[in-house]
Amino acid sequence: EAAVTQSPRNKVTVTGGNVTLSCRQTNSHNYMYWYRQDTGHGLRLIHYSYGAGNLQIGDVPDGYKATRTTQEDFFLLLELASPSQTSLYFCASSSGTGVNNQAPLFGEGTRLSVL
Amino acid sequence: KTQVEQSPQSLVVRQGENCVLQCNYSVTPDNHLRWFKQDTGKGLVSLTVLVDQKDKTSNGRYSATLDKDAKHSTLHITATLLDDTATYICVVGDRGSALGRLHFGAGTQLIVIP
Repeated sequence: EAAVTQSPRNKVTVTGGNVTLSCRQTNSHNYMYWYRQDTGHGLRLIHYSYGAGNLQIGDVPDGYKATRTTQEDFFLLLELASPSQTSLYFCASSSGTGVNNQAPLFGEGTRLSVL
Repeated sequence: KTQVEQSPQSLVVRQGENCVLQCNYSVTPDNHLRWFKQDTGKGLVSLTVLVDQKDKTSNGRYSATLDKDAKHSTLHITATLLDDTATYICVVGDRGSALGRLHFGAGTQLIVIP
């Protein structure tokens, strides 16, 4: 069954802390995405990738790094976490972004709190 | 700048009632529009996708319309159930290719009460 699995589901860290969010997809999708969701805003794209070793900058990349180690695994890194990065983070995968492709599949989210 | 606006922000209906959610956008080009359902604490699940200049889709109790001239879409939910309680998110794709971007609305929070 197609799936996107995120870990951890919840994370609390302190300002300046180092955080890694993990995402694994078993859908054989080329594209993987990291979004953040904040109250009053639509999902905003942080980074995305269209294959192992590839990384593309999204719309709100500042303060975030990402790495796609395999087709299945996409990581989001916060090396010096700040309170402004407190958010709900979603990973998604898709075979493309066009309508002729299947809808993107989303993980269940990681809630990150930076104190 | 917000390119996808959804209304109302929140809505409370009684079980069994119908409701209509609105989505207005300024994304150009507008290749397709998709509606997602997001249960509390969960990820987004696609309900339907609209593609044509004037399009209509139906998926069980969910039906949707799109008018690209007006850059407007509606999601109708018929005979609401308690399980329909969720946030409904309108997403516009600006290209039908791998180069396209998805533009997300902030969502309409629907609460269905007994």
